[in-house]
Amino acid sequence: QQPVQSPQAVILREGEDAVINCSSSKALYSVHWYRQKHGEAPVFLMILLKGGEQKGHEKISASFNEKKQQSSLYLTASQLSYSGTYFCGTEENVGDDKIIFGKGTRLHILP
Amino acid sequence: DAGITQSPRHKVTETGTPVTLRCHQTENHRYMYWYRQDPGHGLRLIHYSYGVKDTDKGEVSDGYSVSRSKTEDFLLTLESATSSQTSVYFCAISVLGQGPSSPLHFGNGTRLTVT
Repeated sequence: QQPVQSPQAVILREGEDAVINCSSSKALYSVHWYRQKHGEAPVFLMILLKGGEQKGHEKISASFNEKKQQSSLYLTASQLSYSGTYFCGTEENVGDDKIIFGKGTRLHILP
Repeated sequence: DAGITQSPRHKVTETGTPVTLRCHQTENHRYMYWYRQDPGHGLRLIHYSYGVKDTDKGEVSDGYSVSRSKTEDFLLTLESATSSQTSVYFCAISVLGQGPSSPLHFGNGTRLTVT
């Protein structure tokens, strides 16, 4: 089942923070986060596994609340290069072999 | 670079014609995926493969078939293309060979237009 992302779109000024949420109605084993620039392929940011720790990548970090079946992506002191569409992808069970993506969150950073 | 190539990059075809898209990888990864991307829908899984001749359906598999006769190639076929299949198609591979619990690397996509 497709996870739900919120918000659908965000406009920020450079240096501001953003949070993107991803929720599922089903128990999750892993959550992936990807960023896609216009006209390009999605690029992997990070993966969070059930029972794992919060991950970080430069000024981008993420958390995974297994009980609530939710994940959040945190972008701190946003840079112009952070603009793009962010997708979360979820794996419901170990051995499911597939990742289902949300509809994406468009992030636009203004100078 | 995970060595993944999609072909063709662009294709225009007529309604009712068969179309085959190819995804080729150079590193013998086991898991391969086909997604389509449409405005407002995000990335939707069409079919995936977990080995040679081992494939399964995704969320939107109607009207599509796949084949994987060798590790490096995963083919997506539209038996009789319809306008609703106009989309950007992405192939992805699981780069650590551990299935969906490892990062996906995407190809550059194929833009298909069905007229």
